[in-house]
Amino acid sequence: GAVVSQHPSWVICKSGTSVKIECRSLDFQATTMFWYRQFPKQSLMLMATSNEGSKATYEQGVEKDKFLINHASLTLSTLTVTSAHPEDSSFYICSAWRITEAFFGQGTRLTVV
Amino acid sequence: SQQGEEDPQALSIQEGENATMNCSYKTSINNLQWYRQNSGRGLVHLILIRSNEREKHSGRLRVTLDTSKKSSSLLITASRAADTASYFCATELTGGGNKLTFGTGTQLKVEL
Repeated sequence: GAVVSQHPSWVICKSGTSVKIECRSLDFQATTMFWYRQFPKQSLMLMATSNEGSKATYEQGVEKDKFLINHASLTLSTLTVTSAHPEDSSFYICSAWRITEAFFGQGTRLTVV
Repeated sequence: SQQGEEDPQALSIQEGENATMNCSYKTSINNLQWYRQNSGRGLVHLILIRSNEREKHSGRLRVTLDTSKKSSSLLITASRAADTASYFCATELTGGGNKLTFGTGTQLKVEL
């Protein structure tokens, strides 16, 4: 079946540094990918829609300069958390649709210390 | 917000019993999907039900959709300890362009 791969699975970084998370569709092309954020024991909240070859669309309240999204090819979207702070610590998950089904990456647990 | 409400928030049952989770949403949808998430892991797609469907089955899963009440239910029959996970409903809004809005989730624990 279709697979979406996310890397890294977990990362620890120091406050003030930037972290890049990759989301790849392994066996299909995705012109659109979605980035979600999940706090412990909470639901997933859509952060932004990543569009291949154009600017990402951010949900209300999500800082676009904080969470940089690049969708440079039909199989890769990246989310960069810039100048990370402890409050950015969270679980980040990407997804891509193949025909009528959404596939999710395995998620990235970011801890900012 | 469109975020769906799920109930119960937590459910603890014995192996072999059935588990029912409910999801309510607010606006018109294209489809509703149910996902499973093991602790700290990614999401696994369980079942999709379209707005013109009322019931769907997949193995031990049964999903119903009532668009007049804007609600859905997920029934897991003959539960197993391995079913222990969080379950989320997610709606794709009409004209929503594949954006999914997730419900608050139900934490299911199946005990031996």
